[in-house]
Amino acid sequence: DARVTQTPRHKVTEMGQEVTMRCQPILGHNTVFWYRQTMMQGLELLAYFRNRAPLDDSGMPKDRFSAEMPDATLATLKIQPSEPRDSAVYFCASGLGASSGAETQYFGPGTRLLVL
Amino acid sequence: TQLLEQSPQFLSIQEGENLTVYCNSSSVFSSLQWYRQEPGEGPVLLVTVVTGGEVKKLKRLTFQFGDARKDSSLHITAAQPGDTGLYLCAETSGSRLTFGEGTQLTVNP
Repeated sequence: DARVTQTPRHKVTEMGQEVTMRCQPILGHNTVFWYRQTMMQGLELLAYFRNRAPLDDSGMPKDRFSAEMPDATLATLKIQPSEPRDSAVYFCASGLGASSGAETQYFGPGTRLLVL
Repeated sequence: TQLLEQSPQFLSIQEGENLTVYCNSSSVFSSLQWYRQEPGEGPVLLVTVVTGGEVKKLKRLTFQFGDARKDSSLHITAAQPGDTGLYLCAETSGSRLTFGEGTQLTVNP
């Protein structure tokens, strides 16, 4: 049963600290997405990659957030320095890409981040 | 980016009841997806609707896409406690998804 995996599942840190979240997409998927979910804003797209290249990171605060795909089996989202307003659940999703029409995205279980 | 409005925001019903939740937009959807999210998990895709007037059924769930492709509904027949979760609609634009804020459904035994 292929699934997207994310680590850590929970993270508590102090303001100013660096946070790195990791995602392993489903094997063979070429598109990886990062989302953030909060009560106030709902589920928002931060960035996404296709074939490891960043396609869109317009939803991501550029000054403190960075997203990379060191290889096809690993995506990372880093926050440096972290702030209390970054507290949220961060989801990774992967898909096969859609040449036309809607793409099916498979979501991981999320990383619940609390910045004190 | 169009605004997606979902209603109601919260819904609490008894097992066996029927319910309908709605997703509305200020402009035309290219296509629309419905997801269900359970506590502590990521959203799971239920259905994609593309054509105006389209109706899709998934067991006790019926999804309808408005003729003008500006609204969609999800109807659940004889709800069960296992239907409890956050129901999200999302407008699709290529690979991008824009989510509504969701309807939190609780089905009480």
